[in-house]
Amino acid sequence: KQEVTQIPAALSVPEGENLVLNCSFTDSAIYNLQWFRQDPGKGLTSLLLIQSSQREQTSGRLNASLDKSSGRSTLYIAASQPGDSATYLCAVRRGYGNKLVFGAGTILRVKS
Amino acid sequence: EAGVAQSPRYKIIEKRQSVAFWCNPISGHATLYWYQQILGQGPKLLIQFQNNGVVDDSQLPKDRFSAERLKGVDSTLKIQPAKLEDSAVYLCASSSMVAGNNSPLHFGNGTRLTVT
Repeated sequence: KQEVTQIPAALSVPEGENLVLNCSFTDSAIYNLQWFRQDPGKGLTSLLLIQSSQREQTSGRLNASLDKSSGRSTLYIAASQPGDSATYLCAVRRGYGNKLVFGAGTILRVKS
Repeated sequence: EAGVAQSPRYKIIEKRQSVAFWCNPISGHATLYWYQQILGQGPKLLIQFQNNGVVDDSQLPKDRFSAERLKGVDSTLKIQPAKLEDSAVYLCASSSMVAGNNSPLHFGNGTRLTVT
């Protein structure tokens, strides 16, 4: 059974700092991995999707890496801003048609 | 494009009562998902539809939960009777079929259910 763990559970940083969020999964036989953002009282917004054959994806100040063999992914946020404050969730898909398995998320607070 | 619409936004009921949630996916999206998100946890898939058909309902408590997707568009999720542990946010998501599993999921804002 696939299990996804995110560390840390919560993180508070000053504005402008670079930061890394971690995601680990127990079964390395994944199809892809996605990072989502969730604002309070809102649904999830997809940030980045990495295929199992890829090592990283970038979008603006966000960079996600994937090391399938070790069962790890990181989300790097450069020059953090107060507007980045949200919960960040990672999710893995085992194979075509299989469901996404989510981690519990990291609650990020960027202080101005 | 209009996003995924869900209603109601909030619902408070007593245990053993019934409740229903409604979802209207993005126009043209063939795949529709219902997720349950308990406070402090990640979303858990309850059921996945492809057009009218059920793809995965392995984690749906079928003794009390039911879902349907009429005409491959709107969907309703029902709980009858509700238990205290059903208190959660129920999220609906949709995705297009064209790009297969690479297509991103678009989520609604969810319905927050409190069972007292």
